[in-house]
Amino acid sequence: AQKITQTQPGMFVQEKEAVTLDCTYDTSDQSYGLFWYKQPSSGEMIFLIYQGSYDEQNATEGRYSLNFQKARKSANLVISASQLGDSAMYFCAIQGAQKLVFGQGTRLTINP
Amino acid sequence: NAGVTQTPKFRVLKTGQSMTLLCAQDMNHEYMYWYRQDPGMGLRLIHYSVGEGTTAKGEVPDGYNVSRLKKQNFLLGLESAAPSQTSVYFCASSVPGLPYNEQFFGPGTRLTVL
Repeated sequence: AQKITQTQPGMFVQEKEAVTLDCTYDTSDQSYGLFWYKQPSSGEMIFLIYQGSYDEQNATEGRYSLNFQKARKSANLVISASQLGDSAMYFCAIQGAQKLVFGQGTRLTINP
Repeated sequence: NAGVTQTPKFRVLKTGQSMTLLCAQDMNHEYMYWYRQDPGMGLRLIHYSVGEGTTAKGEVPDGYNVSRLKKQNFLLGLESAAPSQTSVYFCASSVPGLPYNEQFFGPGTRLTVL
């Protein structure tokens, strides 16, 4: 079975600072994918970034990057230069056999 | 191109009532999924389908049934609603492929069972 652990229920960051959201995972699969989704207060799920288990380089998408440490089974999301609009719930998820397993999420609040 | 749509957006049921949630996608995706999200928690997979006419159980399937009679639609049924089924329900769809299988989510249905 696959499992995602997000140990930070809430994070408070000053605008323009960088923030790291933690994610550790457990899987017995050799091939898997790791996703981060953003859920603003409006409720929709927004895909942010993906990292494959065999990808040698860390994934980046604009201000988002994924710090992937396979041996530690961690896939932390880094948001550079945070903005007020980044305030939301953030979910890490692992994919295996076409199914996603989500963590409990981290609520990020950006203070002006 | 509407993406993934869900009907209805909100619903209140009494214990024991039944209802069907409709998910529709216009992206010709093979795979479709139903999740529930309880307060303060991540999404949990209820049922999923890898193609028209096929369904499979996810992590929390009890109390729900699904059908995928058409490729673009995935229905989630509650035969006898219970207060424990109060939740936000999300539908998603995806196309199998490499390097990854991104799931596209609908806006959600907020269900309250009294």
